[in-house]
Amino acid sequence: EVQVVESGGGLVQPGGSLRLSCAASGFTVSTNYMSWVRQAPGKGLEWVSVVYDGDNTYYADFVKGRFTLSRDHSKDMLYLQMNSLRAEDTAVYYCARVGYTTLAGYYSTSYYYYMDVWGKGTTVTVSS
Amino acid sequence: SYELPQPPSVSVSPGQTASITCSGDKLGNKYTCWYQQKPGQSPVLVIYHDTKRPSGIPERFSASISGNTATLTIRETQAMDEADYYCQAWDSSTVVFGGGTKLTVL
Repeated sequence: EVQVVESGGGLVQPGGSLRLSCAASGFTVSTNYMSWVRQAPGKGLEWVSVVYDGDNTYYADFVKGRFTLSRDHSKDMLYLQMNSLRAEDTAVYYCARVGYTTLAGYYSTSYYYYMDVWGKGTTVTVSS
Repeated sequence: SYELPQPPSVSVSPGQTASITCSGDKLGNKYTCWYQQKPGQSPVLVIYHDTKRPSGIPERFSASISGNTATLTIRETQAMDEADYYCQAWDSSTVVFGGGTKLTVL
């Protein structure tokens, strides 16, 4: 079965740090594009970060400089290092696989991404 | 920053058709996905690449895009379709989610 499992959430004080982990079964984290999405209590989905080929990573503006997405290829794990945490970072953090379809054009190939495998999430609470 | 406004709520009677919209600047030049999230559960992909339906998603779910508005349509709505629905667009290499629409099946 294809699935991802997040871990590492917990209670942390404002200004503290936490590292979330994401493990996959049925596919390889190292060779897939992966993303983190969060959901604050009672709120909507909010994209956090994504990693593409060559470990090229992108971040939402509100986490730039504070969060770092990385992959350990030897362990086939995805991580989200979260520093300088704030109360507003309190959320369920989901790990998701990013799949894609392609459409070959005359000059180039277009990629159409989507998030097709989601974990159950891990809860991060930032509070004193 | 790029935004995708959605109506906060939509109500539909069982058996009827529900439509949920998502608008964004130059959305027609990007591409959209739609996710369903039931209470206490993780999101599920129901539409990708504007109109494509993943395997396992009922044919009752369809989507379209016209100009800067994407629309998710659920025909013959059932009680099990009651959920939050989120549109998503890929803005260059980053991702944006709509605010979500709560679908209530009355």
